Amino acid sequence: EIVMTQSPATLSVSPGERATLSCRASQSVSSNLAWYQQKPGQAPRLLIYGASTRATGIPARFSGSGSGTEFTLTISSLQSEDFAVYYCQQYNDWPPLTFGGGTKVEIK
Amino acid sequence: QVQLVESGGGLVKPGGSLRLSCAASGFTFSDHYMSWIRQAPGKGLEWVSYISSGSTYTHYADSVKGRFTISRDNAKNSVYLQMNSLRAEDTAIYYCANMGGYQRPFDYWGQGTLVTVSS
Repeated sequence: EIVMTQSPATLSVSPGERATLSCRASQSVSSNLAWYQQKPGQAPRLLIYGASTRATGIPARFSGSGSGTEFTLTISSLQSEDFAVYYCQQYNDWPPLTFGGGTKVEIK
Repeated sequence: QVQLVESGGGLVKPGGSLRLSCAASGFTFSDHYMSWIRQAPGKGLEWVSYISSGSTYTHYADSVKGRFTISRDNAKNSVYLQMNSLRAEDTAIYYCANMGGYQRPFDYWGQGTLVTVSS
């Protein structure tokens, strides 16, 4: 099973600032990595797939990078609607499909 | 637009059974893999089960293997999760989600249905 580890668990950021979230895989997942955003009381929403491709309708302030075992999600200038929990997920080698534990982005 | 609507959740006693349904619209259901993912209260996401587009292949998380069964009806654009021998640790919101293929993410998610296992 591929274990996904996200850091930090909580990130405190001021509106307008940049946020950088990390995700590490226990073995290579190539570029088969996705990022999801989940707001309270809502289902997760796909943000990024293929490590760096934005999903339909996702603003350009969201960007993903990395391959192999190290990945980053960057939000260039945080808007109020971006405060949420973010999960990474690998779909390279499964079952099982595995998620990271999440990073909560909160207002500083 | 794509819609996934889960139903069938509720309160059930330990050892009981429940059948979840997910009705899909807005995409060619028979071309997509489908999965169930769950989220325990205040916790992260856990993939539960998957079914291929033609029902040939199914996979399960170890935590539910032998107790849960996934199925689909392409004529009804629906996927199901039969949950037997339920335990307290199965308490969670259950989401269905579609996948465009084997190495594809979860493109769209339903709003979820809450399953509570308690005496």
